[in-house]
Formats: sequence, C-alpha cells, structure tokens
Amino acid sequence: GAVVSQHPSWVICKSGTSVKIECRSLDFQATTMFWYRQFPKQSLMLMATSNEGSKATYEQGVEKDKFLINHASLTLSTLTVTSAHPEDSSFYICSARPLQGSGYTGELFFGEGSRLTVL
Amino acid sequence: DQQVKQNSPSLSVQEGRISILNCDYTNSMFDYFLWYKKYPAEGPTFLISISSIKDKNEDGRFTVFLNKSAKHLSLHIVPSQPGDSAVYFCAALTYDKVIFGPGTSLSVIP
Repeated sequence: GAVVSQHPSWVICKSGTSVKIECRSLDFQATTMFWYRQFPKQSLMLMATSNEGSKATYEQGVEKDKFLINHASLTLSTLTVTSAHPEDSSFYICSARPLQGSGYTGELFFGEGSRLTVL
Repeated sequence: DQQVKQNSPSLSVQEGRISILNCDYTNSMFDYFLWYKKYPAEGPTFLISISSIKDKNEDGRFTVFLNKSAKHLSLHIVPSQPGDSAVYFCAALTYDKVIFGPGTSLSVIP
C-alpha cells in the first residue's frame, strides 16, 4: 500500500514556542490531506482538511491561527502549532487521499503520528 | 450529533473464533466506508474499505458487510488471532470529509 510519513515522531518543546509537523506522501500524490488530533482513549478528531494550493478548511472549534496548515505541494502538508501550551500536548496524525485515477479506490493512508509534549 | 457510531466500546473473543465489529452511520451521503486498526501511540493502519454501491468486500481474514437500508456496516475477522488485539475504527467518507467512529477495543484471548 501507499506510504505516508510524518516527522517528527516525538517532539518536546517549551511553552510559547512553535512546532512544525510534516506529513509526506512518499509514493503517491494527494490533493487532499487531513489532520487529526487524538486524546488518550478517545477517537480521532478531525482538525482540518488541507487542499494543495488553497487554504485549509478547519473544523468547528479549531483555532486556525493556532494550528497553521500549509499544503505547498501534492506530497507535503505541514501543521504548525504556534505558541504551544501544555494543553496542546497530544498525538497528531495526518492522512492523505490519493488522486482520483491513481488506482486507490477511495482509501485514506495514515502517517505514523507525532506525539507533542509541551512543557 | 455522532454521525458514525460504534456502540460497543470493547469486545473479547477467543482465538480462532469470529470477531464481529459493528458500525452505524446516519448520513446517507457517505460514499466510502473504511476500517482501521490502531495500536497505542501509532497511526491507524488501513484494513479494508467498501464502496457504498457494494454490500460486501473480502480481503483475507477480513470481510466488511454494508447494509445501506439499515445504515449499518460490520467487520468480520475470521479466524481471530491474538495479534488482532487493537482498537478498530470505522470511518465514513464524502469527497472532502471523513468522520471516524469512537472505536471498539478488540481483545483476542489465546
């Protein structure tokens, strides 16, 4: 299957700093990537939908100025947590949907996740 | 309002038996349904999908059944193995949105 890589896997930062998480589709192109957040023992919460070359669409309750999403190419989306605080500590996961006609039938492929700890 | 529901938070099954995980949805506009398996501190792993125009899809030990009139899908794992112990999420897609269910924790007992 297709591979989606997230980097970094683990990041620890001080309160007030900004952290960037990358999501790359390694062997396919994706016009749409999704960003999720997961709290312990809870389901994945969709934060935003990232479309290549346009602004991300944020879910209700997600601060767009705090969680900056950039989808600069068909293989890369980034999530930047700005002025991070301890309550932003979480497990962030991305997924990518291959271009239609690429041979994948509606599937989403997920990255390995990035655990953010804000001290 | 939960659009995708997995009403069983947990399930225990003996090794070798069948595991049946259920999922219900409310939005008839979903066009694909997916099942994912997730271990702690890892990203979800795709298992199997089904298009809304089909009622069954099979891949090895995994079979997904879709009942559109009941807005219900289920994942069957036969035979269940201890390595199948994980949290299973069903997800429903429209073109630009994906909604996950809350997950069911499956324990396969050796």
